[in-house]
Order: sequence, then structure tokens, then C-alpha cells
Amino acid sequence: DARVTQTPRHKVTEMGQEVTMRCQPILGHNTVFWYRQTMMQGLELLAYFRNRAPLDDSGMPKDRFSAEMPDATLATLKIQPSEPRDSAVYFCASGFHSGEGTGELFFGEGSRLTVL
Amino acid sequence: AQKVTQAQTEISVVEKEDVTLDCVYETRDTTYYLFWYKQPPSGELVFLIRRNSFDEQNEISGRYSWNFQKSTSSFNFTITASQVVDSAVYFCALSGTYKYIFGTGTRLKVLA
Repeated sequence: DARVTQTPRHKVTEMGQEVTMRCQPILGHNTVFWYRQTMMQGLELLAYFRNRAPLDDSGMPKDRFSAEMPDATLATLKIQPSEPRDSAVYFCASGFHSGEGTGELFFGEGSRLTVL
Repeated sequence: AQKVTQAQTEISVVEKEDVTLDCVYETRDTTYYLFWYKQPPSGELVFLIRRNSFDEQNEISGRYSWNFQKSTSSFNFTITASQVVDSAVYFCALSGTYKYIFGTGTRLKVLA
């Protein structure tokens, strides 16, 4: 079964430390998304890549967050320095975009981040 | 701007009751997709349905049905004869040219 793979599944770190989350999208998908889920905000779009090019990262705090897609098999989300308010579950998802929009998204299992 | 609104934060029903989850959207795109996803207590996000903006036909799949009305920008989801296993958070989503956004979700609790 093709699936989106995220690492790490769980991360506990101290405030100020750098955190890197990785995602392997499904082969053949041309879009990759990063979402953050908290109790208060639901699923918040952080970054959107199409054909590895960043299309939208307006939802991402630019001063501490960065997202990249160095190749078609890897997307990364980095937080530096991390803060307690970054504690959340971070989801990566991939899908296929046609002219009308991106269809069904396949989600990874999420990376649960706790910043102390 | 694009926006998805799920006004119902939490709904509780007794098993076998019917329940409708509301979704209202805003978009300037002329073509777009609408979706429903389910997030059970285990945490994974599961795709349920996709509708194209040109296709306003209602859809039924077992106990699930979806009503898409472009005139009111709504895409509502009804579960008939709810079961305890339907307890989850349900998200409505909108995909357009440059965005794929989710509503804040509706937590459904089905009580035995």
C-alpha cells in the first residue's frame, strides 16, 4: 500500500531547540502539504508545494519556520528556535493536482511535537 | 479569499439517530473540489468523499449522504442511523487553484 511516511512520530524537546520533521510523499503525487493541528485551530495550512515548488506558505510563522522539498521523495519542516506554543500535531499530506484543484489527500500519521 | 466554515463545534446524538453536519464555503475560483474527511480517535485522517464544483448531484454511500448546493455554498453531510463507530471529528475541505483548506471540524459523539 502506498502511504505518506512521516518522521518522527513523537518529539519532546526544550524551548529554543531546533526541530526537523520529515515527510516522504506518495510516489507520483505532485503536491505536498504541511498542516498543524491544535485543539483550538483545527487543521491549519502551513505550506503547500506543487512539483516541489513552494506555492503558499502564508500560514507559516516565517521567523522560525521553514519548509523545503529538496527532492521529490522528501519534504521537510523545520522550526528554529522552537517555542512551547509550537506544541501540536504536524501532518504531511500528498495528492495530485489537476487543472481544477488537488484531489484526495493522503495523510501521514502525524508528528506529535511537545516543546517544554 | 477562501474559507470553510463548520459552525457546529460538537454534536451528540444517540445511536440510530440521523445527524447532519453543516459546511459552508467561500471561494473565488470557478472550479474547485469539496471534500469530507473523518478523523477517528486514533488520529489518522481518512478521506470520505470529493465533489467537483460542476457536479451538484447528491451522493449516497451506505448510511452516508452528501448534499451540495452551489446556490447557498453549502456541502452538508448526513449520517443515517448513526452508530458508535461514527464517533469522530469530521472535516470539510475546499481545494482550489492555490489552496487546500479545512474547516475547524465538527466533533460527533454517538452515544450507545
